[in-house]
Amino acid sequence: EAGVAQSPRYKIIEKRQSVAFWCNPISGHATLYWYQQILGQGPKLLIQFQNNGVVDDSQLPKDRFSAERLKGVDSTLKIQPAKLEDSAVYLCASSLQYRRGREELFFGEGSRLTVL
Amino acid sequence: QKEVEQDPGPLSVPEGAIVSLNCTYSNSAFQYFMWYRQYSRKGPELLMYTYSSGNKEDGRFTAQVDKSSKYISLFIRDSQPSDSATYLCAMSAFGNEKLTFGTGTRLTIIP
Repeated sequence: EAGVAQSPRYKIIEKRQSVAFWCNPISGHATLYWYQQILGQGPKLLIQFQNNGVVDDSQLPKDRFSAERLKGVDSTLKIQPAKLEDSAVYLCASSLQYRRGREELFFGEGSRLTVL
Repeated sequence: QKEVEQDPGPLSVPEGAIVSLNCTYSNSAFQYFMWYRQYSRKGPELLMYTYSSGNKEDGRFTAQVDKSSKYISLFIRDSQPSDSATYLCAMSAFGNEKLTFGTGTRLTIIP
């Protein structure tokens, strides 16, 4: 079974530029998550989709971050304009269904962003 | 105060030693407790999952949850170099799928 696919793996941009990350979840997984992992910290949830609807985006900085999951499959996360503090690994995860805290998350390898 | 506290380490132990990793938390609503393992430049992968208080064993790994003390532990017996990774505790409340992660403990097993 193919895992969660993410691209690009690495991206270096200058502040105020824009960047987009792509995620393809495991086939059949209804729930998709974007996490931000800053060096030395645990992952922090940015946004959670159930199919193509947003379940939780309370920690997404909406003035600069946006995400969409068209057709309930793959997803893109965009940052515009980027700030230095956005340097992090952006992890996409998926789970089979929404089971209120009991679902195993499968993570991709992440997209590492460096903002100069 | 952070909801979940975890000693970041780094922790280095010789091969074959018993490793103890710990997290404390403040949110009494947490009922689902997980340990994820994250190898360098990889995504986290689920290692152990427990519900409420008690122990769970899987091979060389044992997870313990003490809800009265708001304290969880992961024990690794007969540690191997392949166990070298960052270990993240994570937890969630019933009715809320949002996972709250600790900062992770970086573990190195020395051959």
